Amino acid sequence: DSGVTQTPKHLITATGQRVTLRCSPRSGDLSVYWYQQSLDQGLQFLIQYYNGEERAKGNILERFSAQQFPDLHSELNLSSLELGDSALYFCASSVFQTGELFFGEGSRLTVL
Amino acid sequence: GESVGLHLPTLSVQEGDNSIINCAYSNSASDYFIWYKQESGKGPQFIIDIRSNMDKRQGQRVTVLLNKTVKHLSLQIAATQPGDSAVYFCAETGGSNYKLTFGKGTLLTVNP
Repeated sequence: DSGVTQTPKHLITATGQRVTLRCSPRSGDLSVYWYQQSLDQGLQFLIQYYNGEERAKGNILERFSAQQFPDLHSELNLSSLELGDSALYFCASSVFQTGELFFGEGSRLTVL
Repeated sequence: GESVGLHLPTLSVQEGDNSIINCAYSNSASDYFIWYKQESGKGPQFIIDIRSNMDKRQGQRVTVLLNKTVKHLSLQIAATQPGDSAVYFCAETGGSNYKLTFGKGTLLTVNP
């Protein structure tokens, strides 16, 4: 158990819908990262927050947004969903802004 | 279990043999490298890391070698066990303090 909690574990929704994925980092970790894992793209970095502030952005679509709250949990919002958004979404956390990342078990999103 | 890639490089070894998993990186500014293990249905798990001022680092049954001249990283697993079967990813910081970029991964299968 990495100590990173993600909910929900599985989510099935329809195209055009909006979903929110939630992540609770390990106790004491200030950085939260979101990654997307699909069959043909591997692990793609989406976005990183450190102590509530956005610190790095990767290949995150404009339809996606995220935030980190004062209690350090984070949410990833995916809107106007398309079939191609079906993937595993991982949250990871670390103490500082880089270094060893601890990953959650992921949220599997299926868009029908 | 879940498949994390349809076109992953694969390595098949016999139990007890040593395994070597290779990774090439392209960014000469990368200064920190990590190997992750991802078992089916789980999030990536940290194995070992190495900084660019080192060329070798050893852990328990694992050794990471870094060759900056040819931008190559390898993970050696001694006395490979069935529990080592997983997808192995190398990851690097491409000169950024925040963004960890993952390689495509290698599927290791250990035959009893």
